[in-house]
This record gives sequence, C-alpha cells and structure tokens, in this order.
Amino acid sequence: SQQGEEDPQALSIQEGENATMNCSYKTSINNLQWYRQNSGRGLVHLILIRSNEREKHSGRLRVTLDTSKKSSSLLITASRAADTASYFCARCSGGYNKLIFGAGTRLAVHP
Amino acid sequence: DAGVTQSPTHLIKTRGQQVTLRCSPKSGHDTVSWYQQALGQGPQFIFQYYEEEERQRGNFPDRFSGHQFPNYSSELNVNALLLGDSALYLCASSLRQGAYGYTFGSGTRLTVV
Repeated sequence: SQQGEEDPQALSIQEGENATMNCSYKTSINNLQWYRQNSGRGLVHLILIRSNEREKHSGRLRVTLDTSKKSSSLLITASRAADTASYFCARCSGGYNKLIFGAGTRLAVHP
Repeated sequence: DAGVTQSPTHLIKTRGQQVTLRCSPKSGHDTVSWYQQALGQGPQFIFQYYEEEERQRGNFPDRFSGHQFPNYSSELNVNALLLGDSALYLCASSLRQGAYGYTFGSGTRLTVV
C-alpha cells in the first residue's frame, strides 16, 4: 500500500495564483522528492529535500519539510497554464532508497 | 545527453501471454528501478536492479521478473498476463541506488485484453 498521501486530491486555480500541495507520510525517510506528471506520461523530478533540510527552492517552486509532523508541502508561485499536471510526493527510505508514492494532486491552472 | 529510454511506447497483449519491456538508463547511471502505475494512481515499486542483481522487490507476484545487463540496461518480464496488469510501466534510473535522485522514462502503456 502507498504510504504517502497528498492533499488535496485535486486543485483548480487561475493563472497567476499560488498553488500549495501537501504530503504526509508515516515512517522515517532518507529524503522526500516531488515529481510532476503530464497526461499520464513519465515523471519529471522537481525537487529532492533531505531529512535534515527544512526548506528548498527551485525557480517558482518552494518545498518545505517538517519531519516532526512527517509532512511536506510544495508551493508553486505565480502559476501558469503549463503547470497543469499531476504532482506526486515520494518518500525515499531504506538502504536501497526505494520510492513510495502517494496518489498525487491533480492541478488545473486556467488561463 | 540521452535520458531514460523505454520501449515500446504502447503494447496490447492478450490475457495469458507474456510481455517484455525494455529500459536504457540515463548515461552514467548504474541502477534501474521499475514501477507500475494504474490509471489515476501513484506509481507502485516493482523492483530495483543494481550490479545485475535484484536488490529490492515490492509487493508483486513472481510473474513479474527482470534482468539487468552489463551495460546497465534492463528488462521487465511479465508472464501469464492478467487484465489487472494493464497499466503504465515506468523505468527509473539512478546512480548508486538512488542516492542522488531518479530520472524517469516516459513509460510503456500496456493494455491487456
């Protein structure tokens, strides 16, 4: 069973607005990774945040990690129609760095 | 610099048949992991290959098997196909068993009829 849960399951916003997606997990992690998927194709790696990090930025993306609450959030600022996609968090744990994905958040950005 | 290449892109098979999916990792990567993604769900880990050996396996039956070749490319084999095996199969490559993150291919869409 999947051990990462994204919230909300779906999000619909207007261009220019910010989008926030949350992820919770149940067990310890090596790191937590966020991916984007367009139309059921391959996953694109967005950000990797290690368990000893609290915040990370990449362009319009900001990821936070709270290991005490076992949760992470992805913020997309000034969203664009091209940001429309499914976003997944993946818990990376164990000696083999296995990724455990949640069910994802489907983001729709309307022009 | 080529990313992860998967073939074929789409495949239709009949129940009971066998299928082989192929993956070429990103240049410089030595580890290949396979995932199954059902429609509307997140990817589920099948197994990981490193140094030509299966290193870790998810909750999948023995009908799912794989192989890694000396050039780090990999195959996923599924025997006795069931309708429920219809899914997007994703290959992810990495360096040193994912220590620095993963690069995913575009996937193979398998439909079992």
